[in-house]
Amino acid sequence: EAGVAQSPRYKIIEKRQSVAFWCNPISGHATLYWYQQILGQGPKLLIQFQNNGVVDDSQLPKDRFSAERLKGVDSTLKIQPAKLEDSAVYLCASRRRTGVDTEAFFGQGTRLTVV
Amino acid sequence: AQSVTQLDSHVSVSEGTPVLLRCNYSSSYSPSLFWYVQHPNKGLQLLLKYTSAATLVKGINGFEAEFKKSETSFHLTKPSAHMSDAAEYFCVVSEAGSYQLTFGKGTKLSVIP
Repeated sequence: EAGVAQSPRYKIIEKRQSVAFWCNPISGHATLYWYQQILGQGPKLLIQFQNNGVVDDSQLPKDRFSAERLKGVDSTLKIQPAKLEDSAVYLCASRRRTGVDTEAFFGQGTRLTVV
Repeated sequence: AQSVTQLDSHVSVSEGTPVLLRCNYSSSYSPSLFWYVQHPNKGLQLLLKYTSAATLVKGINGFEAEFKKSETSFHLTKPSAHMSDAAEYFCVVSEAGSYQLTFGKGTKLSVIP
């Protein structure tokens, strides 16, 4: 099966600019995650969707970050305005809903550099 | 609430010697546990998973892990390290009834020729 697709792979922006990332999960996967991975750290959950509903966005900085999942399939994550500390790799993952023992599949990530 | 502690941020081994990467977890309910590997500039790849069947789990590339409920541990081992094993390894916990995935901070494995 096709994997999780993310774009772009790399992005460099200036602080205070806006940026958007796109994710296409594996077909039929109801659960979709966005993670932020700062260099040298483990991934931190930003938001979790179940179909097109938000399950958990407690760690999403809502004053600057937003995310949506249209029709329960593709998802976009936006940052506006960006700060230097937003420099990180943004990972998208998807998972089948049935069975807590199912693994998540990850995309290659988008590496964001804010200058 | 669930959490994961990876006890070593960096492990260095010689090629051909055993590998041990340690992970302790905290979970209110029956957890599922996973180990993922991340090579430089690559995505996260599943190595193995524990799902309440056998406590000794075998994964890809010769890795295995043992679930010990009494010690709340899920350590990753490999009998003989290969140069290609050099990467970052993440222990991940997911509670029964929840679809949250909580990551440890990662262990960087270096393999010395």
